[in-house]
Amino acid sequence: QSALTQPRSVSGSPGQSVTISCTGTSSDVGAYNYVSWYQQHPGKAPKLMIYDVSQRPSGVPDRFSGSKSDNTASLTISGLQAEDEADYYCCSYAGTSTFVFGTGTKVTVL
Amino acid sequence: EVQLVESGGGLVEPGGSLRLSCAASGFTFSNFAMTWVRQAPGEGLEWVSSISPSGSDSYYADSVKGRFTISRDKSKNTLYLQMSSLRAEDSALYYCAKRSRPGTYFFDYCGQGTLVTVSS
Repeated sequence: QSALTQPRSVSGSPGQSVTISCTGTSSDVGAYNYVSWYQQHPGKAPKLMIYDVSQRPSGVPDRFSGSKSDNTASLTISGLQAEDEADYYCCSYAGTSTFVFGTGTKVTVL
Repeated sequence: EVQLVESGGGLVEPGGSLRLSCAASGFTFSNFAMTWVRQAPGEGLEWVSSISPSGSDSYYADSVKGRFTISRDKSKNTLYLQMSSLRAEDSALYYCAKRSRPGTYFFDYCGQGTLVTVSS
């Protein structure tokens, strides 16, 4: 149950795109198409942004997109906006109703 | 509107016990698996435990197995986490999270959390 690996921070200017990687193993990210992404603003609860690798819940802007290749999932934010500045966590199903979160990435809008 | 309201956190000495509660509303509680997720101060999210909709099956992270017990009461629409043999590293904000519909593997709602501090 080791945490998935994410970069500590990424940054971009408004309007640019940033991509956050999430690297796991063949027992979690690589085994299932059940990667989700959560946004967390300071002092707030996590908010679901992407589920099942690339699906967006209603209300989430379409500039948020997800993908996966082998043991690495990615979240891309296109057309970065000031309100996107937050921490982002990936999460993967790891079998037998267990889950593992990523280490978290701070997105800074320059 | 889905609401999850955690309570029961506080200051407890190492080795002590605490029971967290999560009052759920706005959905049919007995139809959904539920989960506890925690976040130590300044740290990332950590999955702690999950329970099936009926309460018959429960699952734990290795870090809490044997010390924490998850349960639910459908008559009260409440999720619980009984924590014992607490350690300093259990200090965290504990979130209650609702799993989405059966057969899905993500959390569509989280509460605001309840803070647990383990210290002498």
